[in-house]
Amino acid sequence: EAQVTQNPRYLITVTGKKLTVTCSQNMNHEYMSWYRQDPGLGLRQIYYSMNVEVTDKGDVPEGYKVSRKEKRNFPLILESPSPNQTSLYFCASRDVPGSGYEQYFGPGTRLTVT
Amino acid sequence: GDSVTQMEGPVTLSEEAFLTINCTYTATGYPSLFWYVQYPGEGLQLLLKATKADDKGSNKGFEATYRKETTSFHLEKGSVQVSDSAVYFCALILYNDMRFGAGTRLTVKP
Repeated sequence: EAQVTQNPRYLITVTGKKLTVTCSQNMNHEYMSWYRQDPGLGLRQIYYSMNVEVTDKGDVPEGYKVSRKEKRNFPLILESPSPNQTSLYFCASRDVPGSGYEQYFGPGTRLTVT
Repeated sequence: GDSVTQMEGPVTLSEEAFLTINCTYTATGYPSLFWYVQYPGEGLQLLLKATKADDKGSNKGFEATYRKETTSFHLEKGSVQVSDSAVYFCALILYNDMRFGAGTRLTVKP
């Protein structure tokens, strides 16, 4: 089954404690991205990757890091989480960059930073 | 920059009512347009899409027509069901950039 998986689904942590949210897709997609979803703001892109070892900032990259060492994986790293990073996070992938291609989303990771 | 504006919710309807969720966009070129749906506790799923002007996307009784002259992509359904309760996002892709609206929460009551 074609899918994007994320782990963990729920995470409660404290300020400053490094964490990683994993993302994996089994569709051989080149393009992967991370979004955060906040009430009234829709989805905002954090980082994206057009291929292995190629990553770039989205609209809200501050406080986040990513890496793309393998095509299927695109982890999101919070080196020193802060309460304003409490949000719902989605990983997504699609076939190739460009218009018209469906983007597939993971189930989401709800992060709470206290 | 490119952006999507959709009607604010929440929207509450009775079963079998007609649904319209307005969506307009601003773009420097000719984007592809999408509606995504998010059911409680789940990620976003593609509902329908249109890639050029006057295209009509449709799925599960939902429809939306790409109107270049009004830069709109309004979502409609003739008769909603309780199972349609979800958050609906309008989105565009232009070149490599995907933009989402803020989302509209729909609740359908029996």
